[in-house]
Amino acid sequence: RKEVEQDPGPFNVPEGATVAFNCTYSNSASQSFFWYRQDCRKEPKLLMSVYSSGNEDGRFTAQLNRASQYISLLIRDSKLSDSATYLCVVNKDYGQNFVFGPGTRLSVLP
Amino acid sequence: GAGVSQSPRYKVAKRGQDVALRCDPISGHVSLFWYQQALGQGPEFLTYFQNEAQLDKSGLPSDRFFAERPEGSVSTLKIQRTQQEDSAVYLCASSLMAEASTDTQYFGPGTRLTVL
Repeated sequence: RKEVEQDPGPFNVPEGATVAFNCTYSNSASQSFFWYRQDCRKEPKLLMSVYSSGNEDGRFTAQLNRASQYISLLIRDSKLSDSATYLCVVNKDYGQNFVFGPGTRLSVLP
Repeated sequence: GAGVSQSPRYKVAKRGQDVALRCDPISGHVSLFWYQQALGQGPEFLTYFQNEAQLDKSGLPSDRFFAERPEGSVSTLKIQRTQQEDSAVYLCASSLMAEASTDTQYFGPGTRLTVL
């Protein structure tokens, strides 16, 4: 089993839709979690960290379920500019080894 | 403000050639990471530096890969005797703190290496 798994998509949704991505991780000792966004042929950029209590940043909501070892990202009122690949990132054991998932591709259609 | 820069942006090498990829992190950033990203995949961790110390090199795929950061700022990733499977985008990232596990990583634009 891969350390971090994501549905690769693509998710094709109309503007204004709500879309959710899940990510599962295998290492129960993992301590910190992130969502990064990567546009085509560009570098990844931090979208948001994921906290145990869940957190929201505008239209984006991230949640962590430690018992089931999954992380979710919810995007409300999606915009054309949200089209990108969303990478789930897990850090093991407070070390410096970050494991990226393969990414989920989102296309928001007009 | 200057972000992370990498050079060259594109490199074509013949199989067996040695290559050197450079990363200039954000000034003052203590932590520096190298990743390898194959087409359609997420970045894969290669190695981590805290200042000049290479604290984790567990992701380097073979002894042909070598990284250094001698003065705690610029870093170089060297690949000896390149093979076709080394073709990928090599990303460098830096973060401000020594405790990088919860810190934002800022990525450079990457070097796209093609080995013929």
